[in-house]
Amino acid sequence: GAVVSQHPSRVICKSGTSVKIECRSLDFQATTMFWYRQFPKKSLMLMATSNEGSKATYEQGVEKDKFLINHASLTLSTLTVTSAHPEDSSFYICSAREGGKDNEQFFGPGTRLTVL
Amino acid sequence: AQKVTQAQTEISVVEKEDVTLDCVYETRDTTYYLFWYKQPPSGELVFLIRRNSFDEQNEISGRYSWNFQKSTSSFNFTITASQVVDSAVYFCALSDLTGANNLFFGTGTRLTVIP
Repeated sequence: GAVVSQHPSRVICKSGTSVKIECRSLDFQATTMFWYRQFPKKSLMLMATSNEGSKATYEQGVEKDKFLINHASLTLSTLTVTSAHPEDSSFYICSAREGGKDNEQFFGPGTRLTVL
Repeated sequence: AQKVTQAQTEISVVEKEDVTLDCVYETRDTTYYLFWYKQPPSGELVFLIRRNSFDEQNEISGRYSWNFQKSTSSFNFTITASQVVDSAVYFCALSDLTGANNLFFGTGTRLTVIP
């Protein structure tokens, strides 16, 4: 089956630093990738949708300058949390889809970010 | 607008009991998908099922079964003879096919199976 990886799986950083999270589709070409955020004991909230080679579409309330998304190739998307603060601590999950809307999204294992 | 409601926040059952997790959805779309995912303590999302809105047949997969009732906008999930390994958070989700096919998740039901 389709595999999506995320790196790192866990990161702890100091307040004010930037953190980059990678999402890779290992055995298919991901024309669309999605980034979700999950607070402890809460649901997954879509942050943004990115199509390869285009700018990401952010959901309402998500700061574009805070959460930089790059989808430079068909197998890689990155989420950079800039100038991270403790309130950015969360579980970030990506998903990837090959082709059109009718196709399934495959989820990565998630990245747990802790900002001290 | 799409909305998924999982009214049961937490459920505890004793091993070997059957348990049903409820999911009610709202959408204006006539074509959509419904999903169930399992999230064990490790955090990764495990895909369980995807059901097209045109297919109202119930489905059984081992100890898992799903009841899709379009008339009541419900897509309930039953685990038969529960096991400790079933302990996890279960999410119901909806995606529309007319928009960007984003997934809208319910708030999840935390299932604890007691040995």
